[in-house]
Amino acid sequence: AQSVSQHNHHVILSEAASLELGCNYSYGGTVNLFWYVQYPGQHLQLLLKYFSGDPLVKGIKGFEAEFIKSKFSFNLRKPSVQWSDTAEYFCAVQGTGFQKLVFGTGTRLLVSP
Amino acid sequence: IAGITQAPTSQILAAGRRMTLRCTQDMRHNAMYWYRQDLGLGLRLIHYSNTAGTTGKGEVPDGYSVSRANTDDFPLTLASAVPSQTSVYFCASRRQGAISSPLHFGNGTRLTVT
Repeated sequence: AQSVSQHNHHVILSEAASLELGCNYSYGGTVNLFWYVQYPGQHLQLLLKYFSGDPLVKGIKGFEAEFIKSKFSFNLRKPSVQWSDTAEYFCAVQGTGFQKLVFGTGTRLLVSP
Repeated sequence: IAGITQAPTSQILAAGRRMTLRCTQDMRHNAMYWYRQDLGLGLRLIHYSNTAGTTGKGEVPDGYSVSRANTDDFPLTLASAVPSQTSVYFCASRRQGAISSPLHFGNGTRLTVT
C-alpha cells in the first residue's frame, strides 16, 4: 500500500522568502502525484499534478514541484511567497489504475507580511 | 455551476444519535470518496465508491457506512455518533479510468459530537 510523508508540519516564512515543502512517498509501481492547498475556512483545491512526462510541473499561483523518481520525492517550491499563500498544503499519491488517493498529514504554512 | 454539494455545512450532534451527511455531484464522476480531516492527522479516507452500486472501506471505516444507489449521490451515515467522530468531513469525486481527473472536493461538513 502506498504512503506519503510530509516532513514539515509547520513552516513560518516572511514575505518574499523562498519555499520548499518536502514530500516523500512509498509505492512500488507507477504513481500519479498531487499537491492540494486548503486556504483558511475553505475546501481543498488542486495546486498541481504529475501524471507523466516532464518531471518539473508548474501549477497555479507560481508553484512548481519536481518529481525525482530515484528519491521517491515530489517537493513543492515557490521562489517568493506572499502573505496570501498562508494555508495548509497536502501532498497526495495515487498508484495508477483504480487506486485510492492517499494524503500526507499536511504542512501548515504561515507567511508573515 | 458544476461541482460537489455537501449538507449540512455544520452540525452539533448528541452522542448516540444517528446522522447522515449528504454529498451530491453533478459532474458524472464515477468515483466518490469520504474523507475526515483532523488536526495533525491530515486527511484520512473513510469509505469510497469506484462506481454506482459498489463501495469499499478506507483507512478509518469503523462507525461509518455509505451507499451509492446512483452516480450522483454518496451519503455517509453515522449510525450512533461518538465524540471521536468530531471532525470536518469532506466528500470528493473524480473521473476514474483510462484518463483520470484530479479529485474535486466539496466545501466540507463540520461535525461536533457532544
